[in-house]
Amino acid sequence: EAGVTQFPSHSVIEKGQTVTLRCDPISGHDNLYWYRRVMGKEIKFLLHFVKESKQDESGMPNNRFLAERTGGTYSTLKVQPAELEDSGVYFCASSHGSPLYNEQFFGPGTRLTVL
Amino acid sequence: AQRVTQPEKLLSVFKGAPVELKCNYSYSGSPELFWYVQYSRQRLQLLLRHISRESIKGFTADLNKGETSFHLKKPFAQEEDSAMYYCALDTGGFKTIFGAGTRLFVKA
Repeated sequence: EAGVTQFPSHSVIEKGQTVTLRCDPISGHDNLYWYRRVMGKEIKFLLHFVKESKQDESGMPNNRFLAERTGGTYSTLKVQPAELEDSGVYFCASSHGSPLYNEQFFGPGTRLTVL
Repeated sequence: AQRVTQPEKLLSVFKGAPVELKCNYSYSGSPELFWYVQYSRQRLQLLLRHISRESIKGFTADLNKGETSFHLKKPFAQEEDSAMYYCALDTGGFKTIFGAGTRLFVKA
């Protein structure tokens, strides 16, 4: 089993540019999550998909962030336009069911640096 | 507000010494708590969850509702325990709230 994969592993962009992060969950996992860790701070929940539907996007910082999961398989997280404070590590995770009883499996993360 | 606090950013202990990683939470409902671990160059992974009442790799954690704490303990630390540890709270849905993490360094 490949596990959760994320692409790219690193991205360095300038303020104002657009970046798209991709996450491929474990096959068969309906639940997909995005998180962000800003240096020195907590890992913050961004949003949760069940298949292609956004169930909870309460953690999305603002409308510069757009997440999609067309077809209920892989997901993308687009930041447009990027700001300095968007720098951090973006994690994706997937689970078969509720994290209460089903382990969330995390990807390796994408380190985003906005200059 | 729902919050998880890990007061120590770094904890350094000698091999064989007991270790306790502190975690306090703020939540008005019935909490379910977890500990996650990230070893060097590895992915974040679940270590243990309160609901399972389990002991993993010698680690245990007890939920103390009176003190709103879920401290992680191990009686004898090993060098391979060196990692970043995150305490996390599940409020009953699919939203996990993490603390800022504690880096544990076990010295030989």
